[in-house]
Amino acid sequence: EAGVTQFPSHSVIEKGQTVTLRCDPISGHDNLYWYRRVMGKEIKFLLHFVKESKQDESGMPNNRFLAERTGGTYSTLKVQPAELEDSGVYFCASSLSDSGLYGYTFGSGTRLTVV
Amino acid sequence: AQSVTQPDIHITVSEGASLELRCNYSYGATPYLFWYVQSPGQGLQLLLKYFSGDTLVQGIKGFEAEFKRSQSSFNLRKPSVHWSDAAEYFCAFKAAGNKLTFGGGTRVLVKP
Repeated sequence: EAGVTQFPSHSVIEKGQTVTLRCDPISGHDNLYWYRRVMGKEIKFLLHFVKESKQDESGMPNNRFLAERTGGTYSTLKVQPAELEDSGVYFCASSLSDSGLYGYTFGSGTRLTVV
Repeated sequence: AQSVTQPDIHITVSEGASLELRCNYSYGATPYLFWYVQSPGQGLQLLLKYFSGDTLVQGIKGFEAEFKRSQSSFNLRKPSVHWSDAAEYFCAFKAAGNKLTFGGGTRVLVKP
């Protein structure tokens, strides 16, 4: 089966610009998660979708970040306007169950650099 | 507070030698525990997970981990390291809710 796909793999943008990251989960996985790792820090949870609904968005840093999952398939994470501190690697993960029983499958990540 | 600590930021090991990566968690009950590996240019790959039962868990690529409740630890081991094991390793747990809490990661370098 195809894994979790993220693109772009890399993005370099200027401060103040807008960037949209995309994640395609494993087909049939209702649960989709976004995580972020900024330089030298831990991987941090951003939010969790169940189908098209936001189950938990407690990790979203501020209102410059907007995540959507229209139709319950792929998801986008938009950063507008981007700031320097938004640089990092953004990971997407999907799972069959929200209990974690079957594990979470991660994508390769999008490395975002804001200059 | 719920947290995961990986005390070693970097570990260098010779090829063929054994490897042990430490992981300690802070949580009031037994969480679900995971080890992930990120090889250069790759995503996070699940090595193994522990939910309950046998405290010695076997994973992929010859890795195993042992859950020790008394020490709040979930250390990862491999008896004989291969050059392809050079990567960054992350311990994580899932407590209440659906999100994973990660440790800071341990980068493993393998010497020929």
